Amino acid sequence: SQQGEEDPQALSIQEGENATMNCSYKTSINNLQWYRQNSGRGLVHLILIRSNEREKHSGRLRVTLDTSKKSSSLLITASRAADTASYFCATDRGDYKLSFGAGTTVTVRA
Amino acid sequence: EAGVTQSPTHLIKTRGQQATLRCSPISGHTSVYWYQQALGLGLQFLLWYDEGEERNRGNFPPRFSGRQFPNYSSELNVNALELEDSALYLCASSFLLAHNEQFFGPGTRLTVL
Repeated sequence: SQQGEEDPQALSIQEGENATMNCSYKTSINNLQWYRQNSGRGLVHLILIRSNEREKHSGRLRVTLDTSKKSSSLLITASRAADTASYFCATDRGDYKLSFGAGTTVTVRA
Repeated sequence: EAGVTQSPTHLIKTRGQQATLRCSPISGHTSVYWYQQALGLGLQFLLWYDEGEERNRGNFPPRFSGRQFPNYSSELNVNALELEDSALYLCASSFLLAHNEQFFGPGTRLTVL
């Protein structure tokens, strides 16, 4: 069964705009990781945020984590066509296996 | 630094046959994970190997098995293939002390006819 749920399922934005997607999960976690997948190929690791962290940045990416609400958000600023992909959150409950959500499909229009 | 590699890229089998998928982790990583991404089912955890031992497995039947070799590379075997085994199989590796940050390979697309 899947631990995380992403919202929205799909997102279409204009190049240069920001994209925000959310992830909710059910049980306590050690960390939460965000991945990108292009065209059904391998996953690219974007960022890991530990349960004792609230916010993390990496380039144009900003991730927040609210453990009291069991939710996380991924913000992509100044989006580019190359950001078109599916984005997944994955939670690690300390059992070393990641539980993935169903993903958010982001389309960036030129 | 080379990433996680998987072979073959594509594999076509018929029902009842066996499939073998291979994975080489990032140098220095001792843990290898296998995931199945089937249409409509999302990414599901299959198996975790560390230091040559199976540490955890997901909710899959015993015909899904694997092993990890002394050089930390891994093999996933699927016996008695069924049509619903058609999926993208992803391998990931990690260095456990690094908060289990998992890095994925490009995947093997298995098609069962």
